[in-house]
Amino acid sequence: GAGVSQSPSNKVTEKGKDVELRCDPISGHTALYWYRQSLGQGLEFLIYFQGNSAPDKSGLPSDRFSAERTGGSVSTLTIQRTQQEDSAVYLCASSLGGGLNTEAFFGQGTRLTVV
Amino acid sequence: GENVEQHPSTLSVQEGDSAVIKCTYSDSASNYFPWYKQELGKRPQLIIDIRSNVGEKKDQRIAVTLNKTAKHFSLHITETQPEDSAVYFCAASLNQAGTALIFGKGTTLSVSS
Repeated sequence: GAGVSQSPSNKVTEKGKDVELRCDPISGHTALYWYRQSLGQGLEFLIYFQGNSAPDKSGLPSDRFSAERTGGSVSTLTIQRTQQEDSAVYLCASSLGGGLNTEAFFGQGTRLTVV
Repeated sequence: GENVEQHPSTLSVQEGDSAVIKCTYSDSASNYFPWYKQELGKRPQLIIDIRSNVGEKKDQRIAVTLNKTAKHFSLHITETQPEDSAVYFCAASLNQAGTALIFGKGTTLSVSS
């Protein structure tokens, strides 16, 4: 595709419900990142996938958060039992991967609102 | 793990002035340092990056300097223009793929004409 695509663009959910956020990386990119951006805050690292290696989950804030990447392409970030503090923009990025870290291309983000 | 501190959080300059944003990192093994610009309502985009084998890199009005001893790197924008107004993020990671990019909290730059 032309770029990193995320869906949905906006999601409003009730507290306690589960949500799934989807990321389609650029074709051929082996590295995929998830970040969370709250109002006035920076880009908080959540999880990182690189090829077939075990993902770096060190940024996930609680066990309510999980992510998977199927077939080395599409990734889904799942938040269980959502809380109001989960409200934020969730950004996905992908990069070529391989030998060196290279430019990460971001999607447009999913704005999650928990009411 | 890596921790990146960024200062200042906000910066206001007059058009034509220079702007400097500073970052420090904690992991001495980090050796890849990109800078991203995020305009209002848009996604972050890479504007310049530097690897640890060089101390400075320039691209037109933008330059980045790196001091590995002090674990410090900076973004310099000269002859600022209103379109430079945005949030700027620094980041650090290991050079090789397989390690995550860790970002600072961002600097909101406002350039007034």
